[in-house]
Amino acid sequence: GAGVSQTPSNKVTEKGKYVELRCDPISGHTALYWYRQSLGQGPEFLIYFQGTGAADDSGLPNDRFFAVRPEGSVSTLKIQRTERGDSAVYLCASSSQTDRGGHEQFFGPGTRLTVL
Amino acid sequence: DAKTTQPNSMESNEEEPVHLPCNHSTISGTDYIHWYRQLPSQGPEYVIHGLTSNVNNRMASLAIAEDRKSSTLILHRATLRDAAVYYCIPSNFGNEKLTFGTGTRLTIIP
Repeated sequence: GAGVSQTPSNKVTEKGKYVELRCDPISGHTALYWYRQSLGQGPEFLIYFQGTGAADDSGLPNDRFFAVRPEGSVSTLKIQRTERGDSAVYLCASSSQTDRGGHEQFFGPGTRLTVL
Repeated sequence: DAKTTQPNSMESNEEEPVHLPCNHSTISGTDYIHWYRQLPSQGPEYVIHGLTSNVNNRMASLAIAEDRKSSTLILHRATLRDAAVYYCIPSNFGNEKLTFGTGTRLTIIP
């Protein structure tokens, strides 16, 4: 079946611009996660949705970052006034959370964001 | 979150078993131990998880120490496709975020 998809696969923007990154989770998955990964590092948690609501947004670095999931399916990560330090691969994952403790997360291929 | 210690890198010959260690001495009693791997230019991929008992699935085996302060991911017969960064992640049920460290970069020698 279809996995998690993310668009665009690559995004190049200029410092100060606004960007939106989209995530399509696996159909029926209630949980959705955003992570970002800098070169040579492991992924870093940003935000987690359970349904339409953000259950944990403790990883968002500042108020320039915002994410929505209005219908409990597709999610959009929005970054305002981009900075060069925002350059990274942004990963999305989803899970069904049907098995206690496992919570296997299925990751998309990521969006590589480059801020010039 | 429990802290983890993994070797930065390991090498193994193709078709031989690989044992990837992880120390998680501050793990709480309710934390499950998850392993994910990340192939080059891809998102992470779930490998296996366990709580106390050793676990097996089609990808790997997970051996958990009796005191739960360490675990070992076992790939029984490494292939070139197993070359990846492997992450050991303790995670509490209900704590939904995964905290990745820097992992172990596994190189498979043909």
